[in-house]
Amino acid sequence: AQSVTQLDSHVSVSEGTPVLLRCNYSSSYSPSLFWYVQHPNKGLQLLLKYTSAATLVKGINGFEAEFKKSETSFHLTKPSAHMSDAAEYFCVVSRPNFGNEKLTFGTGTRLTIIP
Amino acid sequence: DADVTQTPRNRITKTGKRIMLECSQTKGHDRMYWYRQDPGLGLRLIYYSFDVKDINKGEISDGYSVSRQAQAKFSLSLESAIPNQTALYFCATDSGRGFGYTFGSGTRLTVV
Repeated sequence: AQSVTQLDSHVSVSEGTPVLLRCNYSSSYSPSLFWYVQHPNKGLQLLLKYTSAATLVKGINGFEAEFKKSETSFHLTKPSAHMSDAAEYFCVVSRPNFGNEKLTFGTGTRLTIIP
Repeated sequence: DADVTQTPRNRITKTGKRIMLECSQTKGHDRMYWYRQDPGLGLRLIYYSFDVKDINKGEISDGYSVSRQAQAKFSLSLESAIPNQTALYFCATDSGRGFGYTFGSGTRLTVV
C-alpha cells in the first residue's frame, strides 16, 4: 500500500521569502515521488520528480525537493517566492509495479503569495 | 495544440441525464487515465487503460464507464448523472517510463 500526506492545506508567504510545502509518504516499495502544480482553471503540470537517482531534485521555476528516506519526506522548497507561484501543489507517490504505475495524490496545498 | 485535450471545458447537466466527457492526446502514449478532483480530496482515479484493448477500474468507478476508441481517445461516460458527481474531471496520459503524467485542462461538470 502507499499513501501521501500533505501536512498543510494552506500556506501563505510574502513575495521574496522562502517557500516550504511539506509532504510525507508511506510506501511498501521504493517509491517514485512527484510534485505537480495546478494554477487556477488549469490542468496539473509536473514540477519535478524523484525516481531513485539523486536525492535532491531540481524542478522548473526554481523549485526543488529533497527525498529523505529516513524521514519518509519529500518537501518542496523555493528560496524566493514570486506572485506567479500562487497555485495549488500536489505531492504524488507512485508505486512502480512491473511497469504499471499508479499514482496516489495528496490532498493538495494551496500556496498564497502576499505582495 | 495541447498535448491532452478535453471537451467540453464546462458542462451543466440535469440529474438522470447521460453525459460523455471526451479526451484526446497527441503524445503517442498507450496509457490513459480519468481522474476526478474534489476540494480537499486531491485527485482520485476513476478508470485507466494501458492500451486500446485494456480497461481497468480505479478506486471510484461506480456510476462511470469508459471507452477507449483508439490509442489517442479515451471517453468517460456518466450513464445517469447524480449531483454528487459534480466535480472537476481530468484526463491524463503517460508513457509508462516513470517520467510523470501529462494532464488535460479539465472538465468542470455540474449536475443539478
